[in-house]
Formats: sequence, C-alpha cells, structure tokens
Amino acid sequence: KNEVEQSPQNLTAQEGEFITINCSYSVGISALHWLQQHPGGGIVSLFMLSSGKKKHGRLIATINIQEKHSSLHITASHPRDSAVYICAVSPSDSNYQLIWGAGTKLIIKP
Amino acid sequence: DAGVTQSPTHLIKTRGQQVTLRCSPKSGHDTVSWYQQALGQGPQFIFQYYEEEERQRGNFPDRFSGHQFPNYSSELNVNALLLGDSALYLCASSLELIDTEAFFGQGTRLTVV
Repeated sequence: KNEVEQSPQNLTAQEGEFITINCSYSVGISALHWLQQHPGGGIVSLFMLSSGKKKHGRLIATINIQEKHSSLHITASHPRDSAVYICAVSPSDSNYQLIWGAGTKLIIKP
Repeated sequence: DAGVTQSPTHLIKTRGQQVTLRCSPKSGHDTVSWYQQALGQGPQFIFQYYEEEERQRGNFPDRFSGHQFPNYSSELNVNALLLGDSALYLCASSLELIDTEAFFGQGTRLTVV
C-alpha cells in the first residue's frame, strides 16, 4: 500500500464545475503539499499546509491531521486548470524528502 | 527572480554514455533536491544537497551522483546510461528543511536511446 494515496486518478469535468481531489496518507507528517504539473513537466507548488485550510484564488486546500486526509478544491473550473495535481507529504521523521502521491489527471472541457 | 532554472530542457543520449544536468536554485535558497519522474509516475527522490554535501539519498545506484557548488547551484551526473534512465529529472530548491515551501524547475527531459 502506498503511503500517499490520491483519488480519483483521472477526472474529466465541464467548465464551471466544482472539483475535489482527495489525498490520504498513512505516515506522520510535518506538512502536506499540493502541486500542479502541466504537460511538459514543470511543477508548481500550490499549497503547503500543516493544519486547517488555505485559499488562493479559486483554489482551496484543507487538511484534517487526525484523519490523515487532505482535499484540494477548484471552484468555477476552467480549461486552463487542466493538469496533473499531486499531493506530497513531508514525513515527520525525515526533513529531507517528500513522499509523493501518484497524481490526479484533471481535464476540464469547455 | 528567475525561480529555479534547469538546463538543458531536453537531452538525447546513447546507452552507456554519461550525462550532466544542471540546476540553479531560487534566489536565497540553499538546499537542492533532485527527483526522477518516469512517464506516468510520481517523482522519485534521488538525493538532496545542502552546504555542498549530499545529505540524504533515495534508492538510486551509485551511477547517480551529484554536486553542489558554493553558489548553491547543483549538478546531477548519471554514468553508464541505461534505457530505463529515460525520464524527466526535476530539481527543487528550498531553505534547508524540506518542510519549507519547495520551488521546482521545469525539468530536464532525458531520453536514452
């Protein structure tokens, strides 16, 4: 079993829909990261959070430390949101590397 | 601020050759981590450099080596290339501890033929 599990693996939605991507992890963490990877490879850090909720524009990330679960929400989705969204955690017993989820491929159709 | 820059962006090498990939971290960042991402998979941690030393290493053979320079830039070297080394190589920079926000480069797409 992977230490970081994301769902769904693939998601196709219509423009304007509310999107939710989930991440569950099985290790103790000091922080959880949501990242976005566009075709071609470049990775952009969206959020780093260790508790509660963060919002940036149309993106919202929440984390429940007790349940070891995080969600990434996109409101009023747009075709330019199409990308792979990756959840990664910083394990609390190691400051040196991230443990990555497999990613969620999101396609937003116009 | 140019952020994290990697070079080259694309590279084609022949099996058995050696390759050097380069990374310049975001201004002010002193820690560089390298990841290998095979097609359709999540990134795999290769190693991290801090203060010009390899601080931690993932499950990669000794053919993978690196270096960090006094200006914090870093190189990833891969010797005796195998077809399976074909991947996107990502560099991430941060401030010392990985649980500060990491910034990623665009990656170097390496193809081994």
